[in-house]
Amino acid sequence: EIVLTQSPGTLSLSPGERATLSCRASQSVSSSYLAWYQQKPGQAPRLLIYGASSRATGIPDRFSGSGSGTDFTLTISRLEPEDFAVYHCQQYGSSPLTFGGGTKVEIK
Amino acid sequence: QVQLVQSGAEVKKPGASVKVSCKASGYTFTNYGISWVRQAPGQGLEWMGWISAYNGNTNYAQNVQGRVTMTTDTSTSTAYMELRSLRSDDTAVYYCARSGYGEYYYMDVWGKGTTVTVSS
Repeated sequence: EIVLTQSPGTLSLSPGERATLSCRASQSVSSSYLAWYQQKPGQAPRLLIYGASSRATGIPDRFSGSGSGTDFTLTISRLEPEDFAVYHCQQYGSSPLTFGGGTKVEIK
Repeated sequence: QVQLVQSGAEVKKPGASVKVSCKASGYTFTNYGISWVRQAPGQGLEWMGWISAYNGNTNYAQNVQGRVTMTTDTSTSTAYMELRSLRSDDTAVYYCARSGYGEYYYMDVWGKGTTVTVSS
């Protein structure tokens, strides 16, 4: 099983700042099958990024994903008020599919 | 628009079973699969398994294998997840999500979730 470790656990930033979230895998993620999801309180997750760097439909270009192998990054170039949420990474290259523990982006 | 509508909240006693439904609309149901993901209170996301809506093939997570059954009804574009021998640590929000034709795929559309509470 591939274990995904997200860091930091909590990121305290102000609107307009840049957010950099990390997701590290315990072994190489096949074919960069790495996704990022955003989840707000009381809501279902929403797909942001798939294939490590492809934005999902309707996702603003301030969200970008990068990385390969075992190290992946989600960057939010300039935080908008609606971006404060929990972000989960997920690998879907091998079974069982696994999620990271999440990074909470909170308002400083 | 593409959407997944899940059944309502459930309260069950330990040892009982629960069956959650997930009705799809806005796309060709049999061209995709459905994954089930759960989230215990205050915790992260846990993948439970995947079913192909095309041929019914399944892949279950080891920690629920033997207690879970995922099925689909293509006549109504509905997926079902049944979990048996419920325990208190099965208390969670259960999500269905549209996944790929094959099992190794991301989840691009999610239902709103079904809260299952297991309590004596």
